[in-house]
Amino acid sequence: GAGVSQSPSNKVTEKGKDVELRCDPISGHTALYWYRQSLGQGLEFLIYFQGNSAPDKSGLPSDRFSAERTGGSVSTLTIQRTQQEDSAVYLCASSFSGTNYGYTFGSGTRLTVV
Amino acid sequence: QQQVKQSPQSLIVQKGGISIINCAYENTAFDYFPWYQQFPGKGPALLIAIRPDVSEKKEGRFTISFNKSAKQFSLHIMDSQPGDSATYFCAASITGNQFYFGTGTSLTVIP
Repeated sequence: GAGVSQSPSNKVTEKGKDVELRCDPISGHTALYWYRQSLGQGLEFLIYFQGNSAPDKSGLPSDRFSAERTGGSVSTLTIQRTQQEDSAVYLCASSFSGTNYGYTFGSGTRLTVV
Repeated sequence: QQQVKQSPQSLIVQKGGISIINCAYENTAFDYFPWYQQFPGKGPALLIAIRPDVSEKKEGRFTISFNKSAKQFSLHIMDSQPGDSATYFCAASITGNQFYFGTGTSLTVIP
């Protein structure tokens, strides 16, 4: 596609429920990143997929967070047993592997846990 | 541990004035320093970027100044306009890896 597409754009969920956030990267981009943006906290790195290599999960804040990337394209970030502190904007970015060329963000998913 | 420190948190500038946002980093292995602009409800968009082999890069009204020895870099917006009102993030990375972002600066340009 022309840009990085994320869905849903907004998600309200009850505490304790599981949520799935989707990212569709730019066609041809083999690197995909998830970040979390909390109010006043900047962007916090969560996980990084590069081609067929094992993902860099070093930024995931707890084992309630997981992500997968199917067929080297679409990625899903799953948060299990959501907590109120998970409320944030979740941003996805993609680029050509091994470079910063074309590094592009989606518009994000705003998650609210009530 | 904050890898990139950004200041100020907020900035108010008159139209036509110069906006200056500063960032500092610790990791000398960083080799790419972008600035991102973010409008409400949108993802960050690349504004301008610099590599440590140059001390300054200018694109239109936007200039990055880079001081390798001090491990600092800054964004200067000349002739600031109300349309520049947004949140600005500095970042640093080792090419091909994750970005480390500053905490952002909310810029308001008063007409």
